[in-house]
Amino acid sequence: GAVVSQHPSRVICKSGTSVKIECRSLDFQATTMFWYRQFPKQSLMLMATSNEGSKATYEQGVEKDKFLINHASLTLSTLTVTSAHPEDSSFYICSASRQAQAGTEAFFGQGTRLTVV
Amino acid sequence: QQQVKQSPQSLIVQKGGISIINCAYENTAFDYFPWYQQFPGKGPALLIAIRPDVSEKKEGRFTISFNKSAKQFSLHIMDSQPGDSATYFCAAGAKASGTYKYIFGTGTRLKVLA
Repeated sequence: GAVVSQHPSRVICKSGTSVKIECRSLDFQATTMFWYRQFPKQSLMLMATSNEGSKATYEQGVEKDKFLINHASLTLSTLTVTSAHPEDSSFYICSASRQAQAGTEAFFGQGTRLTVV
Repeated sequence: QQQVKQSPQSLIVQKGGISIINCAYENTAFDYFPWYQQFPGKGPALLIAIRPDVSEKKEGRFTISFNKSAKQFSLHIMDSQPGDSATYFCAAGAKASGTYKYIFGTGTRLKVLA
């Protein structure tokens, strides 16, 4: 399968500061990148969808001013959690999709465990 | 209509047994059905996927069975091993508002006893 690299894997930050998470597709150009949030023992909650060079599309209930997404190239997307608060503590996962013969495949990064103290 | 219902929520299987996880959907626009395996603290990894024009796909010990008329698909893990213990998510993909998106099931926590 294709490789999607997400960095950092863990981050602890103080309340009120901002944190940037990077997502890179290492061996393919991603048509679309997605950002998810996952609470313990729950499924993936889609936060936003981004295409290179255009503004991200946010899901209902996700604050776009709090979760800034930049998709600078076909291989890099970043999620910045601004003015983080303890309730933002979560597991954030990115995915990148590409066209394959069978369909549009999505590959996930390793995830980032954010803890806001 | 956008939901993908997954069952069971948790599953315990003896080593060497068959693990079966089921998913059902409503939206006929879904045209791609992948399964993901997720270990604690890691991102989901693509296991196997199927398109609706195929009724079965097998890759090693993993098999997807697809029933288009019933709008159901399932993952079978043959000869289950303790290393298969993980959370499994089914998903369904379709194009929506110009972008291809996935809807995920709620997940099944599989534990394979040694």
